[in-house]
Amino acid sequence: RKEVEQDPGPFNVPEGATVAFNCTYSNSASQSFFWYRQDCRKEPKLLMSVYSSGNEDGRFTAQLNRASQYISLLIRDSKLSDSATYLCVVNRKDSSYKLIFGSGTRLLVRP
Amino acid sequence: DVKVTQSSRYLVKRTGEKVFLECVQDMDHENMFWYRQDPGLGLRLIYFSYDVKMKEKGDIPEGYSVSREKKERFSLILESASTNQTSMYLCASGRPDFEQYFGPGTRLTVT
Repeated sequence: RKEVEQDPGPFNVPEGATVAFNCTYSNSASQSFFWYRQDCRKEPKLLMSVYSSGNEDGRFTAQLNRASQYISLLIRDSKLSDSATYLCVVNRKDSSYKLIFGSGTRLLVRP
Repeated sequence: DVKVTQSSRYLVKRTGEKVFLECVQDMDHENMFWYRQDPGLGLRLIYFSYDVKMKEKGDIPEGYSVSREKKERFSLILESASTNQTSMYLCASGRPDFEQYFGPGTRLTVT
């Protein structure tokens, strides 16, 4: 079983749609959680950190469910520019230094 | 803004050549990382460093070595390049337990 699992997609949605991505992680001791965005042939960039109480940044909402070891990302009012791969990231149990990256969920927003 | 730079965007080398990939960060981060990213396999950690002259193996260190003589610089060395090392190489830096920031990547082709 992978340490971080994501649905690879692609999710193909029209502009203006709301789309949700889910991610599960296997290490119950993980403390840090993030969503990264990666455009084609570019480096991953931090989208947002995920806090226990849930957090929102404009059209983006991230939530954490520790009991179910589950992280989600909700994108409202999708824009064409949101088309990218979204990576779920958690820290690793054997070291505070290392992060584990999911393989990513691809989002395509169509006009 | 955090800035992580990598010495080359594209590199073509021959099998058996020694290859140096360099990474520099300007945020005084303790930790630096080298990943490779391949289609369908996601980001895989090769090596990381948590201080000058300190290094630890990641998940796939075979065929690679690293050097960190100064805090801001972390080098990845392919002692004898092979075709299966053709990949996108990404350097990252960050503080312990916090997010990582990536350089633009080096797309290495070994022929």
